[in-house]
Amino acid sequence: AIHMTQSPSSLSASVGDRVTITCRASQDIRNDLGWCQQKPGKAPKLLIYAASSLQSGVPSRFSGSGSGTDFTLTISSLQPEDFATYYCLQDYNYPLTFGGGTKVEIK
Amino acid sequence: EVQLLESGGGLVQPGGSLRLSCAASGFSFSSYAMSWVRQAPGKGLEWVSGISRSAGSTYYADSVKGRFTISRDNSKTTLYLQTNSLRVEDTAVYYCAKDGMDVWGQGTTVTVSS
Repeated sequence: AIHMTQSPSSLSASVGDRVTITCRASQDIRNDLGWCQQKPGKAPKLLIYAASSLQSGVPSRFSGSGSGTDFTLTISSLQPEDFATYYCLQDYNYPLTFGGGTKVEIK
Repeated sequence: EVQLLESGGGLVQPGGSLRLSCAASGFSFSSYAMSWVRQAPGKGLEWVSGISRSAGSTYYADSVKGRFTISRDNSKTTLYLQTNSLRVEDTAVYYCAKDGMDVWGQGTTVTVSS
């Protein structure tokens, strides 16, 4: 199975900050990577698919980049509603695998 | 409106079984692969199982292989997960998700405890 290493596991940031989360795959997954956001008690929500494509309805402050094994999720200007946990997911092959998650907290 | 609605969770003793269901609406269910994803209390997301559009192919995480069975009924636009030989570590919220993970259900809670 492909292992996804996500970092950091948590971070503290202020409203307006630029935030970057990284995900590394244990093998080449082309651009078959997505990013999800999850708030407490809620189902995950897809933000980015195919490494860099913005899901419909997601604010443009979210962006994704990367291919092969190294990927990045960037929030250009953190908003109060962005405090949540973020997960990467590879859908290159089965079994699908998630990163361990990054909890974004208020500084 | 595109929607997935899970049901069937509950409290079960170790070794017991539950059948989870996921009713889909608002999209062409038979055109998409589907997955089950779970989240143990205070933990991250774990993909559990997937099934192709026609149910010709099924896939499982090693942690559930041989104990869980995924299936679907395209005529009823419903996805299923039969969970057998349940363990305490299977306690989690179970979500169904559409291929691409762009649509998720609200989750159903499975608690395995004596």
